[in-house]
Amino acid sequence: QVQLVQSAAELKKPGASVKVSCKTSGYTFSNHGITWVRQAPGQGLEWMGWISAANGNTNYAEKFQARVSLTIDTYTTTAYMEVRSLTSDDTAVYYCAKGDIDPLDYWGQGTLVTVSS
Amino acid sequence: VLTQSPTASASLGASVKLTCTLTRGPTTYAIAWHQQQPEKGPRYLMKVNSDGSHIKGDGISDRFSGSSSGTERYLTISGLQSEDEADYYCQTWGSGVVVFGGGTKLTVL
Repeated sequence: QVQLVQSAAELKKPGASVKVSCKTSGYTFSNHGITWVRQAPGQGLEWMGWISAANGNTNYAEKFQARVSLTIDTYTTTAYMEVRSLTSDDTAVYYCAKGDIDPLDYWGQGTLVTVSS
Repeated sequence: VLTQSPTASASLGASVKLTCTLTRGPTTYAIAWHQQQPEKGPRYLMKVNSDGSHIKGDGISDRFSGSSSGTERYLTISGLQSEDEADYYCQTWGSGVVVFGGGTKLTVL
């Protein structure tokens, strides 16, 4: 069955970077993109960007263009999201999901990133 | 681009119809519905096309169905159960961008 398993929770200081992984299984990795979504405490879902697993092309929400990098490792069928220059406003649960410009039909369990001094 | 009522409520065993309105872009856009139960991650429910057809995700109960009218896309839940109390988000995509509605918090009375 399709699974997306994310890395464990992180505690970071302001100004640091964080890299979250999303290990996929149960489907042909290169046939579908991976989208990253975040959810701040008590808030809704916010699209951050997606990466094509076929060719590594990316598209970012304008808000995250400068500070976020999405990458993939096709050999381990794992996607990665890095956020740089963290502030307290980046405290959120970060989700990966299967799909890009189509329905996101499977989700990871989420990774809590807490930014605090 | 996607507008949802912030809250909805209905009684146990009843039916409820949630609405997602496309406020920009072609009225032919499809959308997806996702459910987020308390303290859990989102779960994909279904894709709803502009013609009202819908394709459900794996293992989604027959109590969930989708429909469409003009710029509105609907999620109907019948025979409400306590575990249906959750936040429901609609999602659409186009021109390389993904958009979520603000979500509807459903309370089962």
